[in-house]
Amino acid sequence: SQQGEEDPQALSIQEGENATMNCSYKTSINNLQWYRQNSGRGLVHLILIRSNEREKHSGRLRVTLDTSKKSSSLLITASRAADTASYFCATDESGGSNYKLTFGKGTLLTVNP
Amino acid sequence: DAGVTQSPTHLIKTRGQQVTLRCSPKSGHDTVSWYQQALGQGPQFIFQYYEEEERQRGNFPDRFSGHQFPNYSSELNVNALLLGDSALYLCASSLAGIGGYTFGSGTRLTVV
Repeated sequence: SQQGEEDPQALSIQEGENATMNCSYKTSINNLQWYRQNSGRGLVHLILIRSNEREKHSGRLRVTLDTSKKSSSLLITASRAADTASYFCATDESGGSNYKLTFGKGTLLTVNP
Repeated sequence: DAGVTQSPTHLIKTRGQQVTLRCSPKSGHDTVSWYQQALGQGPQFIFQYYEEEERQRGNFPDRFSGHQFPNYSSELNVNALLLGDSALYLCASSLAGIGGYTFGSGTRLTVV
């Protein structure tokens, strides 16, 4: 079963604009990760935020985490055509014998030149 | 520093056949996880191998099996293929206790 739910399912913006994607999840987590996937190929790890962190930055990426609401957001600033991809959140659930990542269904981002 | 290598990249099989997919982890990683990604969906966890044993399994039937070799590489075997097994199969490696997953480019399996 999939834990995360990304919102929106699809997002289309112009180059230079900011893109915000949201993720909700259901259980307690150790951390939450965001991945990018181009054209149904492999996943590229973007950023990891731990359960005791509220905000994290990496280049043009900003991730927030609200564990009380079980939600996260990914902001991509000054978007580029090359940012066109599917974006997935994945949770690493807390619990001693859990080793898997649980993914949402993803947000398809299209950045128009 | 080689990343995760998966082979083959594409595969077409007939219903009822068996298939083996292969994964070489990133240098320095000792743990391999397999995921199935159907079209338009997020990846679903199949199982994870560590120290040549299956450490955790997702909600997949016994037709899905795996193996990890002493050099940490891994195989995913699927028996009695169904049309619904058509998907992108992703391998991810990590270092036990550290986390930080590196994904391969995947194997696209089509069952006809």
